Amino acid sequence: SQTIHQWPATLVQPVGSPLSLECTVEGTSNPNLYWYRQAAGRGLQLLFYSVGIGQISSEVPQNLSASRPQDRQFILSSKKLLLSDSGFYLCAWSVLRGGADTQYFGPGTRLTVL
Amino acid sequence: GQQVMQIPQYQHVQEGEDFTTYCNSSTTLSNIQWYKQRPGGHPVFLIQLVKSGEVKKQKRLTFQFGEAKKNSSLHITATQTTDVGTYFCAGPGDSNYQLIWGAGTKLIIKP
Repeated sequence: SQTIHQWPATLVQPVGSPLSLECTVEGTSNPNLYWYRQAAGRGLQLLFYSVGIGQISSEVPQNLSASRPQDRQFILSSKKLLLSDSGFYLCAWSVLRGGADTQYFGPGTRLTVL
Repeated sequence: GQQVMQIPQYQHVQEGEDFTTYCNSSTTLSNIQWYKQRPGGHPVFLIQLVKSGEVKKQKRLTFQFGEAKKNSSLHITATQTTDVGTYFCAGPGDSNYQLIWGAGTKLIIKP
């Protein structure tokens, strides 16, 4: 069965510090991978998605970047965090079958920027 | 651009009362999906509807997809504390790789 891991679970970082969040998927090959951000009490904002190694699509211009160095690894980074980067970061994977693209989410990383 | 509108934003109910959330898309959808996010948790896939007019049930949850495939609803009968959370609908975006998400409806059980 497929499993998705994210770490760390929680993170408190000062403004201006760098960020690296990692997501890995097990039990599937060539998944589509996604990074979302969710502000407190709000909906899901798609940040990046990837359909293959080295292929990154950015949805929102910001100080964040994403990389996919391996098939089942997706990394979210920032060189300098802003206060507005606080939120709940969710990684998700999907495999397109029959036109449907159900997404499966990891446990998330709760980031607080102070 | 394509949008999925979801209402209401919040719904407060007494335990045992019913709950309904509605989604409307600006375009015809090939399918619509529903997810539940428990407080502090991550979204979990509930169901996918594909056919025009489709109705699916999961115990006390009833999901409907409109005839025009532009709207959908989730109805929970006799809510329980385990139903607390935020319910999201989502439909395919312009590319097959993206989902367009509703803003979610938060189900709150009154004490």
